[in-house]
Amino acid sequence: AQSVAQPEDQVNVAEGNPLTVKCTYSVSGNPYLFWYVQYPNRGLQFLLKYITGDNLVKGSYGFEAEFNKSQTSFHLKKPSALVSDSALYFCAVRPLTGFQKLVFGTGTRLLVSP
Amino acid sequence: DSGVTQTPKHLITATGQRVTLRCSPRSGDLSVYWYQQSLDQGLQFLIQYYNGEERAKGNILERFSAQQFPDLHSELNLSSLELGDSALYFCASSVGEYSNQPQHFGDGTRLSIL
Repeated sequence: AQSVAQPEDQVNVAEGNPLTVKCTYSVSGNPYLFWYVQYPNRGLQFLLKYITGDNLVKGSYGFEAEFNKSQTSFHLKKPSALVSDSALYFCAVRPLTGFQKLVFGTGTRLLVSP
Repeated sequence: DSGVTQTPKHLITATGQRVTLRCSPRSGDLSVYWYQQSLDQGLQFLIQYYNGEERAKGNILERFSAQQFPDLHSELNLSSLELGDSALYFCASSVGEYSNQPQHFGDGTRLSIL
């Protein structure tokens, strides 16, 4: 069965600095990978996804993620953090083939300080 | 705005009771997914419907059931409620029947069991 690990409960970064939110996954075969963001009292919003192709995926709000097959990782990155990026971030995975549910990580809270 | 509408936003009830949560998917989306989010269990996939038919089942209790109607709206029924059922319940929708496509989330129904 597939699984996702987000090893950091919280990431703190100063505004203007680069940010990284880590995600590693386990899945049979090749993966579909997603990042979602959740703001307080709101549902999850889709940020970006990886299916195949370039290992660097660009998404909404200036976020990007780097797929690394050998390390089974899909870290979320942004070159310059904004205070408004403070939110809860979820990584999710499912196998490329077959009919499988999407499995979410436990979430990482990003706190960007002014 | 994701285009997914969930009602009610808040629900307070007592143990042993039954409630119904409603979801209207984004226009054009045929799949509806239900998730439960709690502090101790994180975001858990419950069930998926596609064009009126059940497609995938996750960690859904036997006391819970769902259906998708011909107009594509969906209802999640929770019965014999227990204190541990207190959580945020999200509905999400997507165009196709496979979870490889981005899902669009509603803002959730917060269920509190007293």
